[in-house]
Amino acid sequence: KAGVTQTPRYLIKTRGQQVTLSCSPISGHRSVSWYQQTPGQGLQFLFEYFSETQRNKGNFPGRFSGRQFSNSRSEMNVSTLELGDSALYLCASSSGWSGADTDTQYFGPGTRLTVL
Amino acid sequence: DQQVKQNSPSLSVQEGRISILNCDYTNSMFDYFLWYKKYPAEGPTFLISISSIKDKNEDGRFTVFLNKSAKHLSLHIVPSQPGDSAVYFCAANVYPGGTSYGKLTFGQGTILTVHP
Repeated sequence: KAGVTQTPRYLIKTRGQQVTLSCSPISGHRSVSWYQQTPGQGLQFLFEYFSETQRNKGNFPGRFSGRQFSNSRSEMNVSTLELGDSALYLCASSSGWSGADTDTQYFGPGTRLTVL
Repeated sequence: DQQVKQNSPSLSVQEGRISILNCDYTNSMFDYFLWYKKYPAEGPTFLISISSIKDKNEDGRFTVFLNKSAKHLSLHIVPSQPGDSAVYFCAANVYPGGTSYGKLTFGQGTILTVHP
């Protein structure tokens, strides 16, 4: 079974631009969560989508948004980029069903975003 | 407010010996815990998990122990191998669903170095 894939792997943008990152979950998984990893803040939850609906959202500004398609693929968008948005962006997929043994999140390789 | 804490930034162990990584949490609502291993510029790899109804879970060389009264969990790796050298993150979630959908709360990580 193929793992979680993320594209692109690396991105360089300048301040003020916007960026879209893509995530394809493991086949059969319907939940996609997004995380930001920075040296100072560690791994922080951005949001989660299940069946094209955002079910949960972390404490990030509205410049960070996402969506999920009917095939469970997800995109994350960051508008008006700031220097502080430079980070590794990770997505993780899971079945999405509640239950302690069924909702392990499996991560993709991440997208390294550098904002200049 | 850091709800999951890994107080040891690093740990150095000799090959063949036991590695013990520790994690403390403050949110008594957490009831599902996971350990991930991460290399730089890669996504976290799932290692092992435990639900709050158990106090121990084993998978090969990896064993996770949960002490709910102390709000403490630990990961034991026996025997340690040089290939285990990586950053280890503990993560926690609340079940079922609700405001916790898809949201893992991570510790800051512990760098494990296993010397040959």
